[in-house]
Amino acid sequence: DAEITQSPRHKITETGRQVTLACHQTWNHNNMFWYRQDLGHGLRLIHYSYGVHDTNKGEVSDGYSVSRSNTEDLPLTLESAASSQTSVYFCASSEPSVRRTSTDTQYFGPGTRLTVL
Amino acid sequence: RKEVEQDPGPFNVPEGATVAFNCTYSNSASQSFFWYRQDCRKEPKLLMSVYSSGNEDGRFTAQLNRASQYISLLIRDSKLSDSATYLCAVNSGAGNNRKLIWGLGTSLAVNP
Repeated sequence: DAEITQSPRHKITETGRQVTLACHQTWNHNNMFWYRQDLGHGLRLIHYSYGVHDTNKGEVSDGYSVSRSNTEDLPLTLESAASSQTSVYFCASSEPSVRRTSTDTQYFGPGTRLTVL
Repeated sequence: RKEVEQDPGPFNVPEGATVAFNCTYSNSASQSFFWYRQDCRKEPKLLMSVYSSGNEDGRFTAQLNRASQYISLLIRDSKLSDSATYLCAVNSGAGNNRKLIWGLGTSLAVNP
């Protein structure tokens, strides 16, 4: 079955270290998204991509980067981890539907719980 | 005003009750509307897309009110397993700027 996976599922790191979170989908979706979810803030968009070599900044992109070298993967890199980046990170993917009213339905990976000490 | 707002709850209801949640949105140009369910420490999962004519899936009914800019979710005959957080999402933007804007979620606890 097609799916979307994230790794690692849990990560503890130290302030200042570079961390990369992996996201891999086998649906062949063009669109991929990274969110963080924190209590009181809900899902906040970090970066997103609408195809290979396309990347766009979301509302909380500072301190994060992504690259899209193929359809299946969108790794998220924290250049120099900070305690404020302790969060749960979700990757999602979507493919625009032919039905206008269900455009861009997003499907989520299981999440990565990141702790920065 | 936030682009998408939801009653935070928590809603505590007995098994068998009917419960309704609303979600208001500010962008009148929005065309896609969704309800997702999120269990504790898990990923959001699509519950229903919301169509202009309204749609029903078993005990769940979703409605769209464009004039007042809100969507609703009605759950009939609540089950213990319906306990979760319900997120609404509304699309915003166009082309390479299109994305979903998320509400903070409404917490539901169904009690025996």
